[in-house]
Amino acid sequence: QSALTQPRSVSGSPGQSVTISCTGTSGDVGGYNYVSWFQQRPGIAPKLMIYDVTQRPSGVPDRFSGSKSGNTASLTISGLQSEDEADYYCCSYASSDTTFLFGTGTKVTVL
Amino acid sequence: EVQLAESGGGLVQPGGSLRLSCAASGFTFGAYPMHWVRQAPGEGLVWVSRVSHDAAHTNYAGSVKGRFTVSRDNAKNTLYLQLNSLRAEDTAVYYCVKDSGNYGVDYWGQGTLVTVSS
Repeated sequence: QSALTQPRSVSGSPGQSVTISCTGTSGDVGGYNYVSWFQQRPGIAPKLMIYDVTQRPSGVPDRFSGSKSGNTASLTISGLQSEDEADYYCCSYASSDTTFLFGTGTKVTVL
Repeated sequence: EVQLAESGGGLVQPGGSLRLSCAASGFTFGAYPMHWVRQAPGEGLVWVSRVSHDAAHTNYAGSVKGRFTVSRDNAKNTLYLQLNSLRAEDTAVYYCVKDSGNYGVDYWGQGTLVTVSS
């Protein structure tokens, strides 16, 4: 199975909002409410930001929110801050065999 | 605090083997499935393998099936990945990742670099 499709990059000024899309199929994103989002800064392990499409782990700012429509999930960062500059990856449960699919990754740049 | 510490990476020739380990602490290791995820230099994350909480069931990505073997020792709180018949395209940082228990993953180790080159 192929990776989920994300835009290569998005950018915004401090205080603005950016949205990252994650497109899959009915066999993964569209078929399950088990989409997660991870933030990865250079040289650092990924950090869970959103799980189960919309849920935030404790400690994650409420500037981060998730949603899903059909086969596309989205991560929105509101009130963009310089520390939000990182790579972001979506991840979806796919099936009992494949288990998980990751997105292609999106680089968020704060202008 | 959940901690995952990988080890065992290094430089290996094509066709060679390597065994990665992941020492877990801060949670009930034997209660959760565990995963390996890799990231080639400059590339994205790719799920590699999963082992059930009791090691009874394993799953693999198609690209590694038949070459890699995942296992665990719950008495030692340790996850393993045996890498055989290594290829240049297996070069990556390999992450040990904890299952969330609800069709997701949550905590990641810092990763260990495997380089396959002659």
